[in-house]
Formats: sequence, C-alpha cells, structure tokens
Amino acid sequence: EVQLVESGGGLVQPGGSLRLSCAASGFTFSSYWMSWVRQAPGKGLEWVANIKQDGSEKYYVDSVKGRFTISRDNAKNSLYLQMNSLRAEDTAVYYCARESRALLWFGVATFFDPWGQGTLVTVSS
Amino acid sequence: EIVMTQSPATLSVSPGERATLSCRASQSVSSNLAWYQQKPGQAPRLLIYGASTRATGIPARFSGSGSGTEFTLTISSLQSEDFAVYYCQQYNNWPPTWTFGQGTKVEIK
Repeated sequence: EVQLVESGGGLVQPGGSLRLSCAASGFTFSSYWMSWVRQAPGKGLEWVANIKQDGSEKYYVDSVKGRFTISRDNAKNSLYLQMNSLRAEDTAVYYCARESRALLWFGVATFFDPWGQGTLVTVSS
Repeated sequence: EIVMTQSPATLSVSPGERATLSCRASQSVSSNLAWYQQKPGQAPRLLIYGASTRATGIPARFSGSGSGTEFTLTISSLQSEDFAVYYCQQYNNWPPTWTFGQGTKVEIK
C-alpha cells in the first residue's frame, strides 16, 4: 500500500522552529518529486515547497522563502520540512504529497497522489 | 503566476441532484488540471487529473471536462458521501510550482 505518514507537528512560539517529517512506503520514494502543502484552519490548500528526486532542486512559495527548508533522505524514504522563524500565519495542517505524473493525449498530467494524513502546526504564545 | 478561481464558493444541492462546479485559470493550462475532494478532518483525495481522467476507484458519477482556461467538475447524482469541499489545482512547468483554487463547498440543500 502506498502511504505517507507525517509527524513532528505541535505548538511552538512565534520565532521558534520545528522540523516536520514524512515517512513514505509502498513505492520507490527516490523516483518522485515530493511536496509539502498546508491548510490554515478553515482555509484552502496552499502549496509550500517541493524537492526533486535527488534533492538537487527545491522550490518554495514566496511567503516561506528564507525561513523554511525542504530536504529528503532517500535511504530512509523520508521527506522533511525545517521551519524557522515561525509566525502565527504559519499555523496550519501540513500535508506531504507525492507529485505524480501520467502521460495523456495532451502531454504530461501532474497531480498530487497520495497525500499523508497531515500534522498540525500551531504557532502561538 | 497563474491564478485559479473556483465558483461558486458554496453550492447547495439535494441528494440525487446534479452538481456542477467551475474552475477558471487566469491563463491557459492546456488540460493539465486536477480536482480533489476533501471531507472535514481528512486529507484531500484525488478525483480527476488531466482535466477528465478519473483517478483509481473514483465512481463514474464524477466527471471532469474543459481545457485551456475553463474547467468543470460534474457530480451526476449526489450521494450523501459527496458533500465535501472540492479544489481544482494546476501545475506550472517552470518554475515547477503548484496553485490551488480557493475551493467550492458542496452542502446539503
């Protein structure tokens, strides 16, 4: 079974740090781009960051650039998100997701599948 | 940056009725559009990719259509388990980043 399991969420004070982990199983982790997506309470989905299969390329949404770092350990089938200088607006459920691709009639379709169950990060004093 | 706009924000539908959800892109995304369903307290679930291809295990009552900038998700006959929030999503080839619509909540009328 293809599965993603996040951990590491919790309560942290503004300005603090937290490291999220995502354990992958059931597929060849090293063959896929991976992403973090977050969802603030009662809000929609926001893509946060992604990383190439070998870790050589990383991209971030503007609001977390310079504060968050995505990384991976293919030997451990794990994805990470180091979050520094946390702000109240970073409060959200953080999901890891596999970037999947399929060749269709128009070209390559890209989508997130599967998703983990999410881990809650609360930034508050 | 491509902006995805979903409408309506909330759709009130009776069980057994048809639901039609819209997603508009600020510029063409070809047919590279996906739809997700999210129920309270759960992670999103992939429904449709490539604008019209159903994901594994998704019932035939869910269908997607459209290309370019205008897309539609249709639920032909709403079941009780279909009341949820639905998101569309597009992918930028360069830089390789992702954008979601703000979501449409399908609620019981």
